[in-house]
Amino acid sequence: DAGVIQSPRHEVTEMGQEVTLRCKPISGHNSLFWYRQTMMRGLELLIYFNNNVPIDDSGMPEDRFSAKMPNASFSTLKIQPSEPRDSAVYFCASSLDRQTTEAFFGQGTRLTVV
Amino acid sequence: GEDVEQSLFLSVREGDSSVINCTYTDSSSTYLYWYKQEPGAGLQLLTYIFSNMDMKQDQRLTVLLNKKDKHLSLRIADTQTGDSAIYFCAVLMDSSYKLIFGSGTRLLVRP
Repeated sequence: DAGVIQSPRHEVTEMGQEVTLRCKPISGHNSLFWYRQTMMRGLELLIYFNNNVPIDDSGMPEDRFSAKMPNASFSTLKIQPSEPRDSAVYFCASSLDRQTTEAFFGQGTRLTVV
Repeated sequence: GEDVEQSLFLSVREGDSSVINCTYTDSSSTYLYWYKQEPGAGLQLLTYIFSNMDMKQDQRLTVLLNKKDKHLSLRIADTQTGDSAIYFCAVLMDSSYKLIFGSGTRLLVRP
């Protein structure tokens, strides 16, 4: 397996534009997580899914953020409209189940909103 | 909610041992992890420990867990320049299955 695949690796967009980040988890994994990493706040859990169902989205900062998982092999994180303070590295991770010894992380998407 | 804290920075000389410390607040956590992040990359699991263990050794890595004090440490023996990275402590909350990360400790290994 190629691991968790995120796209794009880098995204630069203008304030107000819609941004969609994509993630393909490892095949067979039941849980998927979206994290945001910034210098100021470190790693923050935004939302996680189990069997394609959102379990906890309490980390989603605002209504501008939304996440979907239409099937077991794909998830999106959308920001609409984007703002400069959304600039961060966004990580997707997947794990075999909720109680697991390892969550596998993607390479991340570095988002810059100008 | 759960709080996981780490010191921000550690500098050691090549060949010395490194000890990275972490404290947490949720005493019910069953799984505790150490992740490594190299520049421009995602997080990679280094090792983990179950809460019913005091120590776990894996080659150059030793994890110590003091449940009473809610203190976790990672010792890297014979630290190499390739060990320079950010190390994250993470705790799995049993109640919500959330993985809560510390802020990360940046390890710098000097030649």
